[in-house]
Amino acid sequence: EIVLTQSPATLSLSPGESATLSCRASQRLSSSYFAWFQQRPGQPPRLLIYGASGRATGIPDRFSGSGSGTDFTLTISRLEPEDFAMYYCQQHDRAPLTFGGGTHVEFK
Amino acid sequence: QVRLQESGPGLVRPSETLSLTCTVSGSIGIYYWNWIRQPPGKELEWIGYVFFSGSSNSKPSLKRRVVMSVDTSKNEISLQLSSVTAADTAMYFCAGGPRAVAGRLEIWGRGTMVTVSA
Repeated sequence: EIVLTQSPATLSLSPGESATLSCRASQRLSSSYFAWFQQRPGQPPRLLIYGASGRATGIPDRFSGSGSGTDFTLTISRLEPEDFAMYYCQQHDRAPLTFGGGTHVEFK
Repeated sequence: QVRLQESGPGLVRPSETLSLTCTVSGSIGIYYWNWIRQPPGKELEWIGYVFFSGSSNSKPSLKRRVVMSVDTSKNEISLQLSSVTAADTAMYFCAGGPRAVAGRLEIWGRGTMVTVSA
């Protein structure tokens, strides 16, 4: 199965700053089948980015995704208070679908 | 807009079979229905998906214990996980991915917590 490794595990930032989250895959995969999710405490994950760079419905444009092959990035510009949460990457290029271990964006 | 609501027993004894239901408000035939679980404080794990036609796929390490089905008359998706252990304690989510891209998990239920304990 494809293993996704996210870094860093924790990102300590202040509102208004930018966040850069990374996800590395153990095998090359199609960017069409790569996604990012946000999960706030007590809530289900929410799809942010699909196809590596497409924003899901209702997602603000301060969220952007990029990357291809084995290296993918989620950038959050101008962090808002509601952006402090867990973020997971996911691939559905090859079964089984897999998720990364997550990056926690926390208040500095 | 399609909405999902999971339901289950809350507590299951070791070695028994866990049975969960996901009720779909909206069309059940336009999505692949995925089950994902998340142990407390841990990452997400995909269990498998099922389509209204009955076709399904599941994680190899869970395949021998997993049965998924769709009841179109009730607009419900079911998950059965047999021979449970404490390692199966988790929040269980159902999530929908469009027919063309089954793994694009666009809609999620709020989840149902399952604890495996004697």
